Amino acid sequence: QKEVEQDPGPLSVPEGAIVSLNCTYSNSAFQYFMWYRQYSRKGPELLMYTYSSGNKEDGRFTAQVDKSSKYISLFIRDSQPSDSATYLCASNTGGFKTIFGAGTRLFVKA
Amino acid sequence: DVKVTQSSRYLVKRTGEKVFLECVQDMDHENMFWYRQDPGLGLRLIYFSYDVKMKEKGDIPEGYSVSREKKERFSLILESASTNQTSMYLCASSQPPQETQYFGPGTRLLVL
Repeated sequence: QKEVEQDPGPLSVPEGAIVSLNCTYSNSAFQYFMWYRQYSRKGPELLMYTYSSGNKEDGRFTAQVDKSSKYISLFIRDSQPSDSATYLCASNTGGFKTIFGAGTRLFVKA
Repeated sequence: DVKVTQSSRYLVKRTGEKVFLECVQDMDHENMFWYRQDPGLGLRLIYFSYDVKMKEKGDIPEGYSVSREKKERFSLILESASTNQTSMYLCASSQPPQETQYFGPGTRLLVL
């Protein structure tokens, strides 16, 4: 079992929809949780990170961590075609090694 | 803003050549990483470094070596390139405590 599991998609939604991207993890020691956005042929770009459980909001993006169920979510409100990318979740314990999900490809249709 | 730069966006090399990939970060981060990214396999850690001249093997170090002579610079070396090393190579840096990693733009390497 991978330490961080993520559905690869693709996920296709119409412009303006609310997008929900999800990951599960198995290591109870994970404390930091990150979401990255990666456009085609580019490096991953850090979108948000959260510490422990709870929500964090940044503009149209909300990251949510539920440590009791080991579930990580990213919500995108009012999705735009420019949000079309691969989204990677990631977790670490505060040590060197960060575990990345495989990424979910998102397509937002105009 | 953290900036991580990589020396080349695209490289084409021949089998058996020695290949150097350079990475520079400008945020005084202690830790630096090299990954390769392949379709269906995700990000795989090759090597990382937690201090100057210090390095640790990641999950797939075979066929690679690294060098960190200065804090801001981390080099990945393919001693004798092979076709199965054709990939996207990504460099990242991070800082305690949260160890959030910041990535460079990537180098797409093609080995013929």
